[in-house]
Amino acid sequence: DVKVTQSSRYLVKRTGEKVFLECVQDMDHENMFWYRQDPGLGLRLIYFSYDVKMKEKGDIPEGYSVSREKKERFSLILESASTNQTSMYLCASSSSGGADYGYTFGSGTRLTVV
Amino acid sequence: KQEVTQIPAALSVPEGENLVLNCSFTDSAIYNLQWFRQDPGKGLTSLLLIQSSQREQTSGRLNASLDKSSGRSTLYIAASQPGDSATYLCAVQMTTDSWGKLQFGAGTQVVVTP
Repeated sequence: DVKVTQSSRYLVKRTGEKVFLECVQDMDHENMFWYRQDPGLGLRLIYFSYDVKMKEKGDIPEGYSVSREKKERFSLILESASTNQTSMYLCASSSSGGADYGYTFGSGTRLTVV
Repeated sequence: KQEVTQIPAALSVPEGENLVLNCSFTDSAIYNLQWFRQDPGKGLTSLLLIQSSQREQTSGRLNASLDKSSGRSTLYIAASQPGDSATYLCAVQMTTDSWGKLQFGAGTQVVVTP
């Protein structure tokens, strides 16, 4: 069964902390994505990566960075967590072009910044 | 800019009734359209993917149609069950996008009452 695994389901962090959200996929997918989901705003793309060490900004990259050192792992980094980054974070992967297999999402990480 | 709309935002039906969920998009230059299901506090599960050249896709009790020229897709769920209660999201991938990014609607929250 193919999977996208997010390392934490729930996280509570303090304002100003550096936060790492980890995502691993076992499908050998080229593309990986980080979204955040907020009530009333839907899913918004933060960053995506189409290859190892390659990254592109999404719609709301401010306050975030990413790392993709290996094909299977895509990390989202909150450089200095703030309360407005409290949200559900969803990682996803897809094969190149996304045509044949669509997206596979992880279970999500609920981050609370206090 | 592509806009994806799902109406209604919420829907409640008695068990056994057929569900009809609507998705509309403003730019018909789509590569594919996907329907996802999301249970409360969880990630997204892919239900159906329709390529732009297709008119419909079926999986069990689920059937999704696509009318690209009118910018609409409909998800039909036959003989609804309480276990179908969830939020359903549609998302489109544009032909102008090389990396498989998706643009999501806000979702329709469905409650199936026993």
